[in-house]
Amino acid sequence: EAQVTQNPRYLITVTGKKLTVTCSQNMNHEYMSWYRQDPGLGLRQIYYSMNVEVTDKGDVPEGYKVSRKEKRNFPLILESPSPNQTSLYFCASSFTGLAGGPGYEQYFGPGTRLTVT
Amino acid sequence: AQKITQTQPGMFVQEKEAVTLDCTYDTSDPSYGLFWYKQPSSGEMIFLIYQGSYDQQNATEGRYSLNFQKARKSANLVISASQLGDSAMYFCAMREPAGNTPLVFGKGTRLSVIA
Repeated sequence: EAQVTQNPRYLITVTGKKLTVTCSQNMNHEYMSWYRQDPGLGLRQIYYSMNVEVTDKGDVPEGYKVSRKEKRNFPLILESPSPNQTSLYFCASSFTGLAGGPGYEQYFGPGTRLTVT
Repeated sequence: AQKITQTQPGMFVQEKEAVTLDCTYDTSDPSYGLFWYKQPSSGEMIFLIYQGSYDQQNATEGRYSLNFQKARKSANLVISASQLGDSAMYFCAMREPAGNTPLVFGKGTRLSVIA
């Protein structure tokens, strides 16, 4: 089954304790992205990757790191989480990061609900 | 700067009726893509339908259709024959093609289908 998976789905942690949220897709997609969703603010992009070893900042990158060593995986790293990073996080992927017809739409993982106390 | 506006925070519709969810967008780029996503209470984001700015026909996917009016910069989602399972948040989103551009979302419309 074609899908984007994220782990963990739920995480409660304390300020300053490093964590990684994993993301993996099995659709051979080039483009992957991380978003956070907050009430009243909607979804905002954190980081994206156009392909292996190519990553760049989105709209709200502060406090996050990513890496893209393999095409299928795009982990999100919080080196020193803070309470303002409490949010619902989504990983998404698409076949291409460029305009076009089929393949342009992004498919989302199930989300990771993170609480930082 | 691109922007998506969804003016209906919440909508109610009777089961089996059709409903239109409004979306207007703002961009100066002639090439862009418009998307609708559904987010049920379980939280996942489900891709529904895509419309390219150069597409001549309105997109359709099963009970979903997109009423694309380019001159008015609107991309309304029409759901025909509503079902109870359609109750969810619906997000309109846009993406421009240059390099990376993120998927920019509207604030969403909460649709409640009434039996």
